[in-house]
Amino acid sequence: EIVMTQSPATLSVSPGERATLSCRASQSVSSNLAWYQQKPGQAPRLLIYGASTRATGIPARFSGSGSGTEFTLTISSLQSEDFAVYFCQQGNNWPLTFGGGTKVEIK
Amino acid sequence: QVQLQESGPGLVKPSETLSLTCTVSGGSINSYYWSWIRLPPGKGLEWIGYIYYSGSTNYSPSLKSRVTISVDTSKNQFSLKLSSVTAADTAVYYCARREVNYWYFDLWGRGTLVTVSA
Repeated sequence: EIVMTQSPATLSVSPGERATLSCRASQSVSSNLAWYQQKPGQAPRLLIYGASTRATGIPARFSGSGSGTEFTLTISSLQSEDFAVYFCQQGNNWPLTFGGGTKVEIK
Repeated sequence: QVQLQESGPGLVKPSETLSLTCTVSGGSINSYYWSWIRLPPGKGLEWIGYIYYSGSTNYSPSLKSRVTISVDTSKNQFSLKLSSVTAADTAVYYCARREVNYWYFDLWGRGTLVTVSA
């Protein structure tokens, strides 16, 4: 199965700053990569699919890039509601697999 | 809007069977794939398996021997059974929706914590 590795495990950022999260696949997943946001006690929310397409209702400050094995989620100016855990997921091969997550915390 | 809600026991004894149900409200269970995904403490998300509303299934190879997912379209529900559980099966269990021909999950439940302990 494809192993997804996210880095860093924790990212400390001040509100208003830019956050850059990485996700690496153990083999190429083409552009079949999604990002999710999860807050405690809430359902995970789809942010990005197809590596760079924002899901419905997702603010423009969230952007995704990359293809093959290297992907990035960028949050251009962190808002208070953006402090959460972010997961990547590949959809190129079964079984579908997820990264271990990056926690974005307030600096 | 469509919502998913997981339900079931929060505590299961080792070697017993974990049973959870996901209720789909505000919309139909038809024409989608429905998955179970779990988040063990301190680890990443793990896809368990899916069922199509027609009843066809696909399970993770690592759990296939212990997993059964079923659907009840009359109740707009689908269910998970995981047999012979151990402490390693302790996790928050989520149900999630995937559209046909897509591989990402566009709708999730809030999740339910299941602890395996005597």
